[in-house]
Amino acid sequence: SQQGEEDPQALSIQEGENATMNCSYKTSINNLQWYRQNSGRGLVHLILIRSNEREKHSGRLRVTLDTSKKSSSLLITASRAADTASYFCATYSGGYNKLIFGAGTRLAVHP
Amino acid sequence: DAMVIQNPRYQVTQFGKPVTLSCSQTLNHNVMYWYQQKSSQAPKLLFHYYDKDFNNEADTPDNFQSRRPNTSFCFLDIRSPGLGDAAMYLCATSRVQGAGGPSDTQYFGPGTRLTVL
Repeated sequence: SQQGEEDPQALSIQEGENATMNCSYKTSINNLQWYRQNSGRGLVHLILIRSNEREKHSGRLRVTLDTSKKSSSLLITASRAADTASYFCATYSGGYNKLIFGAGTRLAVHP
Repeated sequence: DAMVIQNPRYQVTQFGKPVTLSCSQTLNHNVMYWYQQKSSQAPKLLFHYYDKDFNNEADTPDNFQSRRPNTSFCFLDIRSPGLGDAAMYLCATSRVQGAGGPSDTQYFGPGTRLTVL
């Protein structure tokens, strides 16, 4: 069963706007990761946030983690058409080295 | 550049005809994973190898098998593909310290899109 659920399922914005995607999960975690997937391609790791961290930045990406609410958000600032992709959160909650992926948010950024 | 390579990128097979997908890595990672991803869905883990130790997910059909002859290569064998097995198959690797250790960044290959006729 999926650990992470993402919201919204789809997001359509104009270039230059900010995009926010949310992820909720069910059990306690060791870390939470965000991945991007361009259409028909493999996943690319964006950022990892550990359970003892609350916020992390990487370039135009900002990730927050609220372990009390079992939720995370990914903010992409000043979006570009090249940011058009699906974004997945994934959680590690112990055992067998594996991640559990959420259903993903499909982001479309229009020029 | 170090990377995860999957071959072929596109595979067409007939219903019931065995097919093998391959994955190789130059990252020297100890864990290799196979995921199945259907359209607009999340990747679903089929199994993974921690070094030579094979770990099958409970809901992975027996139709799916895997081999890891050495650190660099891992194969996915589908013994009798059905129409429902048409999907993108993703290979990934990571470096993990200790079986059951924290899973950090996974590095994905570009995927193999399987079509079953």
